[in-house]
Amino acid sequence: QSALTQPRSVSGSPGQSVTISCTGTSSDVGGYNYVSWYQQHPGKAPKLMIYDVSKRPSGVPDRFSGSKSGNTASLTISGLQAEDEADYYCCSYAGSYTVFGGGTKLTVL
Amino acid sequence: QLQLQESGPGLVKPSETLSLTCTVSGGSISSSSYYWGWIRQPPGKGLEWIGSIYYSGSTYYNPSLKSRVTISVDTSKNQFSLKLSSVTAADTAVYYCARLRRRGYYMDVWGKGTTVTVSS
Repeated sequence: QSALTQPRSVSGSPGQSVTISCTGTSSDVGGYNYVSWYQQHPGKAPKLMIYDVSKRPSGVPDRFSGSKSGNTASLTISGLQAEDEADYYCCSYAGSYTVFGGGTKLTVL
Repeated sequence: QLQLQESGPGLVKPSETLSLTCTVSGGSISSSSYYWGWIRQPPGKGLEWIGSIYYSGSTYYNPSLKSRVTISVDTSKNQFSLKLSSVTAADTAVYYCARLRRRGYYMDVWGKGTTVTVSS
């Protein structure tokens, strides 16, 4: 199976909004509403930010939102803050296994 | 609060078998709501899902690693383990264990990770 496709990098200024895309196929992203997103700061373990396409775990700011259209899922971060600078990974169930995206480095300018 | 801790050798020789254990504390590995999984991250690269196990022993593996991976569970010790055979330098990575929600297949609790280097 192939990794989901994410842009290698995105950037934005504090207060702005950025969107990270995650493109898969009808066998993974398009086939199930089981897309999750993870934030990873350098040297740290990933942290769950979004699950089931658009749900936020307790403690995750509502500046983080998720959506899906067809085979592409998206993570939008509004009101960018310096601490949002990190790597972001999407992940999808693919019917008996799980596949990650290649990761996107978010730079807050 | 649930915690996961990876343990095992930090150095493995090429062609040998990598063995890691994840100890679960603050909760039971026998919960019907969760899977337990392994994920790895080579230096400077992205995350790769290795496989998952249910407390009953049912397993799900990454097709690209399936021939070399075995994940097992020991409910009496509240632990689950990873074995990866015939390792090469490409298996050098930080290995994470995680709890996966059975409905949704997302990883909501992660261990801190352990670095495994494959080298002679």
